[in-house]
Amino acid sequence: QITLKESGPTLVKPTQTLTLTCSFSGFSLSTRGVGVGWIRQPPGKPLEWLALIFWDDDKRYSPSLRNRLTITKDTSKNQVVLTMTNMVPVDTATYYCGRHSINIIAQTAASFDYWGPGTLVPVSS
Amino acid sequence: QTVVTQEPSLTVSPGGTVTLTCASSTGAVTSGYFPNWFQQKPGQVPRALIYSTTNKHSWTPARFSGSLLGGKAALTLSGVQPEDEADYYCLLYLGGDWVFGGGTKLTVL
Repeated sequence: QITLKESGPTLVKPTQTLTLTCSFSGFSLSTRGVGVGWIRQPPGKPLEWLALIFWDDDKRYSPSLRNRLTITKDTSKNQVVLTMTNMVPVDTATYYCGRHSINIIAQTAASFDYWGPGTLVPVSS
Repeated sequence: QTVVTQEPSLTVSPGGTVTLTCASSTGAVTSGYFPNWFQQKPGQVPRALIYSTTNKHSWTPARFSGSLLGGKAALTLSGVQPEDEADYYCLLYLGGDWVFGGGTKLTVL
């Protein structure tokens, strides 16, 4: 059974750095083709892809947020951490993590086939 | 910045068929964009429906299908059920990055 769960602060002040942890089970980030990514959704607005880290430590970032984001993994702990610097009120959103799975032989990519429940992060002074 | 465009809203009658589309500002969508489709109901976590253009997850109802149509990725719902009323998002792989569409609000009426 594959599960993911996000954890982090319940409130962030403007200019602070947000640190979110995605803890997962049922798969390994050391398996070829596997990745874990982050997506956010401001209240009433669409989904936005933020970052993705792969089994081989390849990292990808949203171009619009690249200079504020860092994604890392701890394979032994089954965790992925996302940091976002210089938080502002418009960063208020529900932040999700999800699994990304590539089948190299079939040449298919299942992006975010499993999701965590999400964590709402308000940014306010 | 690449923009992925979906119909803002669509309405379909129960039992009917509807096609949602997903276009890229970079040009025609191909299988190399690995289109994914997600369903999100109010207050719920998004649920993956389709990956790599046409592939269904084990939990995807048979009435959902994915394709390429006129240079866009497409999601077709055949025999629409009231519970299909939801927001639908596409996701495209664009040159090393992933971009979600703005979503389509599907009303079943």
